[in-house]
Amino acid sequence: DAGITQSPRHKVTETGTPVTLRCHQTENHRYMYWYRQDPGHGLRLIHYSYGVKDTDKGEVSDGYSVSRSKTEDFLLTLESATSSQTSVYFCAIRVHLTANTEAFFGQGTRLTVV
Amino acid sequence: AQTVTQSQPEMSVQEAETVTLSCTYDTSENNYYLFWYKQPPSRQMILVIRQEAYKQQNATENRFSVNFQKAAKSFSLKISDSQLGDTAMYFCAFMKHNYGQNFVFGPGTRLSVLP
Repeated sequence: DAGITQSPRHKVTETGTPVTLRCHQTENHRYMYWYRQDPGHGLRLIHYSYGVKDTDKGEVSDGYSVSRSKTEDFLLTLESATSSQTSVYFCAIRVHLTANTEAFFGQGTRLTVV
Repeated sequence: AQTVTQSQPEMSVQEAETVTLSCTYDTSENNYYLFWYKQPPSRQMILVIRQEAYKQQNATENRFSVNFQKAAKSFSLKISDSQLGDTAMYFCAFMKHNYGQNFVFGPGTRLSVLP
């Protein structure tokens, strides 16, 4: 599983409250990603990081911010949660091997905004 | 921007039979990776098979094989001797070959293997 964990696994929060999801890896991979999964849309990229303090937006970044102060941790923050942000969130790392590359995923976080 | 299309939202197959899941993608790149990921009810994302665009030979992994048609931008997944444990969502994904790129996923196909 490439040593990637997400926390929490489940969360219910109220509209308007801030929420932070954590992704932790144990193998010092450079690239980390946050995706959200919604029915009919597959996984859509929210933000990604290519190093400490180096991040960039994905296709659905509105309402989200990220931070990466250490190689091993990539945090996703919903500044003021809305019902449209109810989703399953996945963190992923890119593992690049000689002549190959692959994404490894965390277990996902089911977030419900009520 | 790259896009990935999976035109079959749901499919079913009898146990021990063969099924093919379709995937098409849109890109102007010449070098890239293609993937099929499986997501069983546990929600875990599992790599099934991977193909590099410069390799003409289709990738195979045990009962899983792909039909990669670069000119047609098509990347279908064939599952032979389907097993109940193959029941899952299947996502096709694309990634450009360069550093700094991200994985682009299709909307998924829900496969049910029937006893």
